[in-house]
Amino acid sequence: DGGITQSPKYLFRKEGQNVTLSCEQNLNHDAMYWYRQDPGQGLRLIYYSQIVNDFQKGDIAEGYSVSREKKESFPLTVTSAQKNPTAFYLCASSISGPGNTIYFGEGSWLTVV
Amino acid sequence: GENVEQHPSTLSVQEGDSAVIKCTYSDSASNYFPWYKQELGKGPQLIIDIRSNVGEKKDQRIAVTLNKTAKHFSLHITETQPEDSAVYFCAAREGNEKLTFGTGTRLTIIP
Repeated sequence: DGGITQSPKYLFRKEGQNVTLSCEQNLNHDAMYWYRQDPGQGLRLIYYSQIVNDFQKGDIAEGYSVSREKKESFPLTVTSAQKNPTAFYLCASSISGPGNTIYFGEGSWLTVV
Repeated sequence: GENVEQHPSTLSVQEGDSAVIKCTYSDSASNYFPWYKQELGKGPQLIIDIRSNVGEKKDQRIAVTLNKTAKHFSLHITETQPEDSAVYFCAAREGNEKLTFGTGTRLTIIP
């Protein structure tokens, strides 16, 4: 099936640890995105990438890092510098170009313990 | 940058009645306006979208209207059913820029 796969679905992290969330898509989309969603809140953009080997900071990039070595993969690392990392993380992708639909994965829950 | 406001934050309607959610945006250059439905613990799913060259779009029980002059757009759900209960997000985008989301509306359909 075509789609966006995020893993793991649930992740627990100890304070001071880095964790990496995986996002893979087989839709042949050029653009990929990471959003953060806090309970009862909207979606805030962390990082996005329009093309392989290039990415830009979103609105809340501090404490996060990404890489885009392959078209189909856009992993997000939540570093120990992120002070409040507990949230629901959503990966998305789209065809590059104006007005193209953005599709979301099923999300990953990260909890700091 | 773009700013999207969404109202109401919560909405309860009787099954079979209509529901309307409204959004306003700030950037007059925005030209793409999608609506997403998010069920608990899942990713948002696109339910309908509209581009700035049209004023209204319908898909069965769902419709979206756009008023470019006033910079607002609305989601209309008719003949609501229990499975329509979810959180709905509007968004706006200019060209190839990032998508800016509203803060969401929790819709509850009362049987």
